[in-house]
Amino acid sequence: AQSVTQLGSHVSVSEGALVLLRCNYSSSVPPYLFWYVQYPNQGLQLLLKYTTGATLVKGINGFEAEFKKSETSFHLTKPSAHMSDAAEYFCAVSGSGGGADGLTFGKGTHLIIQP
Amino acid sequence: GAGVSQSPSNKVTEKGKDVELRCDPISGHTALYWYRQSLGQGLEFLIYFQGNSAPDKSGLPSDRFSAERTGGSVSTLTIQRTQQEDSAVYLCASMSSGGRVNEQFFGPGTRLTVL
Repeated sequence: AQSVTQLGSHVSVSEGALVLLRCNYSSSVPPYLFWYVQYPNQGLQLLLKYTTGATLVKGINGFEAEFKKSETSFHLTKPSAHMSDAAEYFCAVSGSGGGADGLTFGKGTHLIIQP
Repeated sequence: GAGVSQSPSNKVTEKGKDVELRCDPISGHTALYWYRQSLGQGLEFLIYFQGNSAPDKSGLPSDRFSAERTGGSVSTLTIQRTQQEDSAVYLCASMSSGGRVNEQFFGPGTRLTVL
């Protein structure tokens, strides 16, 4: 069984400031971890994923995340926020690798960018 | 098509009616997933298809929910005798292989409102 906890349902940062969205997971098997972004009235778009190998993963739009097994975390960061980053962000975990168990999502974090 | 498409985009129905939601995956994608996104429950995994087969239907919320996939392509999610708690956005995703961890591509969703 897996679970995902995203700390903070809403995060507000100023334009140009660091973005940090927190994600902690629980998994009984080595996890596969994902961050998705959802813009209003749209589906989910993959930002980045961790499967195996390098623990620092770079994604689209300047986002990156670091897998820390000892902390069971997969926090998402971006050095400088842009107004276009305002959206809902979801962390997700999959345990099977083969995809048969689907993705288990966190509750989501709404990112607000202040001008 | 270029991406996953879902129809209808919006569906308003009366309590007790049956509804059918359709998903057209990306051509050639063998894996297909249904998720439900609601305010109270967040994003929930419902069911997974590998080809036309759904090995595990335990994620469906109740026996009023059923899903099928024909020809390894289009999938339909049917909700019988709809209830108000069925109101949600139903998301479909497809993936190129069921044997590897890969990216799930999401459709824009069908927003179901049960009056």
